Amino acid sequence: GAVVSQHPSWVICKSGTSVKIECRSLDFQATTMFWYRQFPKQSLMLMATSNEGSKATYEQGVEKDKFLINHASLTLSTLTVTSAHPEDSSFYICSARPYFVGGTEAFFGQGTRLTVV
Amino acid sequence: TQLLEQSPQFLSIQEGENLTVYCNSSSVFSSLQWYRQEPGEGPVLLVTVVTGGEVKKLKRLTFQFGDARKDSSLHITAAQPGDTGLYLCAGGAGGTSYGKLTFGQGTILTVHP
Repeated sequence: GAVVSQHPSWVICKSGTSVKIECRSLDFQATTMFWYRQFPKQSLMLMATSNEGSKATYEQGVEKDKFLINHASLTLSTLTVTSAHPEDSSFYICSARPYFVGGTEAFFGQGTRLTVV
Repeated sequence: TQLLEQSPQFLSIQEGENLTVYCNSSSVFSSLQWYRQEPGEGPVLLVTVVTGGEVKKLKRLTFQFGDARKDSSLHITAAQPGDTGLYLCAGGAGGTSYGKLTFGQGTILTVHP
Protein backbone atom coordinates (compact mmCIF):
# COMPACT_ATOMS: atom_id res chain seq x y z
CA GLY A 1 0.00 0.00 0.00
CA ALA A 2 0.83 3.73 0.05
CA VAL A 3 2.07 3.97 -3.53
CA VAL A 4 2.70 7.33 -5.13
CA SER A 5 3.31 7.52 -8.85
CA GLN A 6 4.78 10.38 -10.83
CA HIS A 7 4.47 10.86 -14.56
CA PRO A 8 6.50 11.25 -16.61
CA SER A 9 9.67 9.78 -15.14
CA TRP A 10 11.73 12.00 -17.39
CA VAL A 11 11.02 14.71 -19.91
CA ILE A 12 13.06 16.83 -22.28
CA CYS A 13 11.55 20.06 -23.49
CA LYS A 14 12.57 23.12 -25.45
CA SER A 15 13.25 26.40 -23.73
CA GLY A 16 10.11 28.52 -23.54
CA THR A 17 7.64 25.65 -23.47
CA SER A 18 5.61 24.43 -20.50
CA VAL A 19 5.80 21.02 -18.91
CA LYS A 20 3.23 19.31 -16.68
CA ILE A 21 4.21 16.72 -14.08
CA GLU A 22 1.59 14.53 -12.42
CA CYS A 23 1.66 13.09 -8.92
CA ARG A 24 -0.90 10.41 -8.11
CA SER A 25 -1.63 8.52 -4.92
CA LEU A 26 -2.67 5.11 -6.21
CA ASP A 27 -4.16 3.41 -3.17
CA PHE A 28 -5.02 6.19 -0.73
CA GLN A 29 -6.53 9.63 -0.67
CA ALA A 30 -4.27 12.60 -0.13
CA THR A 31 -5.65 16.01 0.73
CA THR A 32 -2.10 17.28 0.89
CA MET A 33 0.83 16.70 -1.40
CA PHE A 34 4.26 18.24 -1.35
CA TRP A 35 6.50 19.20 -4.24
CA TYR A 36 10.28 19.14 -3.89
CA ARG A 37 13.13 20.04 -6.18
CA GLN A 38 16.54 18.41 -6.16
CA PHE A 39 19.70 19.42 -8.00
CA PRO A 40 22.44 16.85 -8.71
CA LYS A 41 24.16 15.58 -5.58
CA GLN A 42 22.13 17.91 -3.42
CA SER A 43 19.26 17.47 -1.02
CA LEU A 44 15.55 18.00 -1.53
CA MET A 45 14.16 21.50 -1.22
CA LEU A 46 10.47 21.96 -0.52
CA MET A 47 8.86 24.09 -3.20
CA ALA A 48 5.23 24.10 -2.22
CA THR A 49 2.42 22.40 -0.34
CA SER A 50 -0.47 21.38 -2.54
CA ASN A 51 -3.92 21.31 -0.92
CA GLU A 52 -6.90 19.64 -2.53
CA GLY A 53 -9.51 22.16 -3.51
CA SER A 54 -7.53 25.22 -2.53
CA LYS A 55 -4.50 27.24 -3.51
CA ALA A 56 -1.03 25.87 -3.01
CA THR A 57 1.27 27.32 -0.38
CA TYR A 58 4.65 28.21 -1.82
CA GLU A 59 7.93 28.35 0.05
CA GLN A 60 9.88 31.57 0.14
CA GLY A 61 11.70 32.24 -3.11
CA VAL A 62 9.57 29.94 -5.25
CA GLU A 63 7.71 31.76 -8.04
CA LYS A 64 4.07 30.72 -7.98
CA ASP A 65 3.49 31.97 -11.52
CA LYS A 66 6.42 29.93 -12.74
CA PHE A 67 5.49 26.72 -10.97
CA LEU A 68 1.73 26.26 -11.22
CA ILE A 69 0.23 23.69 -8.88
CA ASN A 70 -3.24 22.24 -9.20
CA HIS A 71 -4.72 19.70 -6.79
CA ALA A 72 -8.10 19.02 -8.29
CA SER A 73 -8.83 15.65 -6.69
CA LEU A 74 -7.87 13.63 -3.64
CA THR A 75 -5.48 11.51 -5.67
CA LEU A 76 -3.90 13.90 -8.14
CA SER A 77 -1.71 16.97 -7.96
CA THR A 78 0.02 18.51 -10.96
CA LEU A 79 3.03 20.78 -11.21
CA THR A 80 3.36 22.82 -14.39
CA VAL A 81 6.69 24.47 -15.12
CA THR A 82 5.77 27.41 -17.32
CA SER A 83 8.08 28.96 -19.90
CA ALA A 84 10.80 26.56 -18.91
CA HIS A 85 14.45 27.58 -19.13
CA PRO A 86 17.63 25.53 -18.80
CA GLU A 87 18.02 26.62 -15.17
CA ASP A 88 14.71 24.87 -14.42
CA SER A 89 16.34 21.56 -15.30
CA SER A 90 16.18 19.49 -12.14
CA PHE A 91 14.73 16.43 -10.45
CA TYR A 92 11.21 17.11 -9.22
CA ILE A 93 9.77 14.85 -6.53
CA CYS A 94 6.34 14.79 -4.96
CA SER A 95 5.11 13.22 -1.76
CA ALA A 96 1.55 12.54 -0.68
CA ARG A 97 0.10 12.54 2.81
CA PRO A 98 -2.67 10.06 3.60
CA TYR A 99 -5.90 11.59 4.79
CA PHE A 100 -6.21 10.46 8.40
CA VAL A 101 -5.66 11.93 11.83
CA GLY A 102 -2.45 11.19 13.68
CA GLY A 103 -0.29 10.33 10.71
CA THR A 104 3.41 11.04 10.65
CA GLU A 105 4.50 10.06 7.17
CA ALA A 106 4.15 11.19 3.60
CA PHE A 107 5.04 8.84 0.75
CA PHE A 108 7.31 9.78 -2.12
CA GLY A 109 6.95 9.34 -5.83
CA GLN A 110 9.83 8.13 -7.95
CA GLY A 111 10.66 11.60 -9.23
CA THR A 112 10.66 13.32 -12.62
CA ARG A 113 13.87 14.33 -14.35
CA LEU A 114 13.26 17.55 -16.32
CA THR A 115 15.82 18.66 -18.87
CA VAL A 116 15.27 21.95 -20.67
CA VAL A 117 17.31 22.42 -23.83
CA THR B 1 12.84 28.73 9.45
CA GLN B 2 13.84 25.29 10.65
CA LEU B 3 17.23 24.07 9.44
CA LEU B 4 18.89 20.68 9.62
CA GLU B 5 22.67 20.42 9.47
CA GLN B 6 23.78 17.05 8.22
CA SER B 7 27.38 15.89 8.33
CA PRO B 8 29.55 14.75 6.80
CA GLN B 9 28.44 15.59 3.28
CA PHE B 10 30.78 13.04 1.72
CA LEU B 11 32.04 9.79 3.17
CA SER B 12 34.30 7.33 1.38
CA ILE B 13 35.20 4.20 3.30
CA GLN B 14 36.34 0.62 2.85
CA GLU B 15 34.06 -2.37 3.17
CA GLY B 16 33.81 -3.53 6.76
CA GLU B 17 34.32 -0.13 8.36
CA ASN B 18 31.82 1.56 10.63
CA LEU B 19 30.43 5.04 10.08
CA THR B 20 28.15 7.60 11.68
CA VAL B 21 26.16 10.36 10.04
CA TYR B 22 24.89 13.24 12.14
CA CYS B 23 21.89 15.49 11.82
CA ASN B 24 21.59 18.55 14.06
CA SER B 25 19.16 21.41 14.44
CA SER B 26 18.39 24.25 16.79
CA SER B 27 14.69 23.48 16.33
CA VAL B 28 12.53 20.74 17.78
CA PHE B 29 10.89 18.40 15.31
CA SER B 30 7.85 16.24 15.84
CA SER B 31 9.60 13.41 14.06
CA LEU B 32 12.91 12.68 12.42
CA GLN B 33 13.13 10.49 9.39
CA TRP B 34 16.07 8.93 7.58
CA TYR B 35 15.94 8.17 3.89
CA ARG B 36 18.19 6.53 1.37
CA GLN B 37 18.07 7.63 -2.23
CA GLU B 38 19.48 6.04 -5.36
CA PRO B 39 20.30 8.18 -8.43
CA GLY B 40 17.21 8.96 -10.47
CA GLU B 41 14.79 7.62 -7.88
CA GLY B 42 12.70 9.01 -5.07
CA PRO B 43 13.91 8.71 -1.47
CA VAL B 44 13.06 5.52 0.37
CA LEU B 45 12.17 5.74 4.03
CA LEU B 46 14.50 3.82 6.35
CA VAL B 47 13.09 4.79 9.73
CA THR B 48 10.96 7.32 11.61
CA VAL B 49 11.80 8.28 15.18
CA VAL B 50 9.36 10.33 17.22
CA THR B 51 10.32 9.98 20.89
CA GLY B 52 13.26 11.80 22.46
CA GLY B 53 16.02 9.32 23.27
CA GLU B 54 14.57 6.71 20.95
CA VAL B 55 16.91 4.15 19.40
CA LYS B 56 15.89 1.97 16.47
CA LYS B 57 17.84 -0.76 14.75
CA LEU B 58 17.45 -1.98 11.21
CA LYS B 59 19.90 -4.82 10.64
CA ARG B 60 23.32 -3.10 10.57
CA LEU B 61 21.81 0.38 10.85
CA THR B 62 21.21 2.05 14.21
CA PHE B 63 19.24 5.27 14.48
CA GLN B 64 19.11 7.56 17.51
CA PHE B 65 16.91 10.54 18.25
CA GLY B 66 18.29 13.03 20.72
CA ASP B 67 16.59 13.55 24.06
CA ALA B 68 15.56 17.07 23.08
CA ARG B 69 14.35 15.92 19.64
CA LYS B 70 16.73 18.31 17.91
CA ASP B 71 19.36 15.90 16.65
CA SER B 72 19.74 12.40 15.32
CA SER B 73 22.42 10.01 14.15
CA LEU B 74 22.66 7.07 11.81
CA HIS B 75 25.33 4.48 12.53
CA ILE B 76 26.20 1.75 10.06
CA THR B 77 28.20 -1.23 11.25
CA ALA B 78 30.46 -3.18 8.90
CA ALA B 79 29.51 -1.19 5.82
CA GLN B 80 29.07 -3.02 2.54
CA PRO B 81 29.29 -1.79 -1.07
CA GLY B 82 25.52 -2.18 -1.26
CA ASP B 83 25.19 0.58 1.35
CA THR B 84 26.51 3.11 -1.16
CA GLY B 85 24.04 5.91 -1.78
CA LEU B 86 22.71 9.26 -0.65
CA TYR B 87 21.45 9.31 2.93
CA LEU B 88 19.07 12.06 3.96
CA CYS B 89 17.72 13.08 7.32
CA ALA B 90 14.48 15.01 7.42
CA GLY B 91 12.66 16.74 10.22
CA GLY B 92 8.92 16.37 10.23
CA ALA B 93 6.33 18.92 11.23
CA GLY B 94 3.53 17.78 13.46
CA GLY B 95 -0.16 18.31 13.81
CA THR B 96 -1.94 19.49 10.70
CA SER B 97 1.42 19.99 8.94
CA TYR B 98 2.53 16.39 9.25
CA GLY B 99 4.32 15.04 6.19
CA LYS B 100 5.99 18.39 5.51
CA LEU B 101 9.70 17.71 5.71
CA THR B 102 12.82 19.81 6.12
CA PHE B 103 15.77 17.93 4.69
CA GLY B 104 19.38 18.00 5.72
CA GLN B 105 22.04 18.50 3.05
CA GLY B 106 22.51 14.79 2.59
CA THR B 107 25.50 12.47 2.93
CA ILE B 108 26.92 10.76 -0.13
CA LEU B 109 28.32 7.46 1.10
CA THR B 110 30.69 5.37 -1.02
CA VAL B 111 31.76 1.98 0.27
CA HIS B 112 34.66 0.48 -1.63
CA PRO B 113 35.03 -3.30 -1.87
